[in-house]
Amino acid sequence: ILNVEQSPQSLHVQEGDSTNFTCSFPSSNFYALHWYRWETAKSPEALFVMTLNGDEKKKGRISATLNTKEGYSYLYIKGSQPEDSATYLCAPFNAGGTSYGKLTFGQGTILTVHP
Amino acid sequence: DTEVTQTPKHLVMGMTNKKSLKCEQHMGHRAMYWYKQKAKKPPELMFVYSYEKLSINESVPSRFSPECPNSSLLNLHLHALQPEDSALYLCASSQVEQGAGGYTFGSGTRLTVV
Repeated sequence: ILNVEQSPQSLHVQEGDSTNFTCSFPSSNFYALHWYRWETAKSPEALFVMTLNGDEKKKGRISATLNTKEGYSYLYIKGSQPEDSATYLCAPFNAGGTSYGKLTFGQGTILTVHP
Repeated sequence: DTEVTQTPKHLVMGMTNKKSLKCEQHMGHRAMYWYKQKAKKPPELMFVYSYEKLSINESVPSRFSPECPNSSLLNLHLHALQPEDSALYLCASSQVEQGAGGYTFGSGTRLTVV
């Protein structure tokens, strides 16, 4: 089983604050890293899929970076809004080993943005 | 249509019942997935279908039986389940069975086994 760790487990911020979370994963057999946002009672929604070391992606106020050599990714939210409240899941996709061809999810970071 | 539709949204079944979960997508995706999510845990992969063929079975007990009748439909047949099988069952699809594209998820079926 692939060891995917996300921190912190939960986070409470005030509206307007900027925040970031971490996802760490084994760097061996790496193929891609996915980030999903999952709001309560809705479907998980793909935010980013990143494959290249040093990659940076941005979608509105949310951005992500990727370091495949050391096995981590950061997700940043600038100027958090209450509608950003959700669970943020990262998931590496492996191209080898026992997790070949599988998307393995971390535990997630639960973000609550208070008005 | 950019959605994955799962039915039913909620299901309560007894341990001797037979029921089925249904998943449908019309995006032309050729890979479809079943995930199981227990409370406060991440989604766990159960099955992967690629071009309507089963490509990954994560050692799931035989009381769960997947079926992919065509490229748009994925079923999960349930028989003789245990209370510990109560969970949220998520279906997802992607263009092909590779990780370079994001998965599109349904909103899940909340299953309770009594």
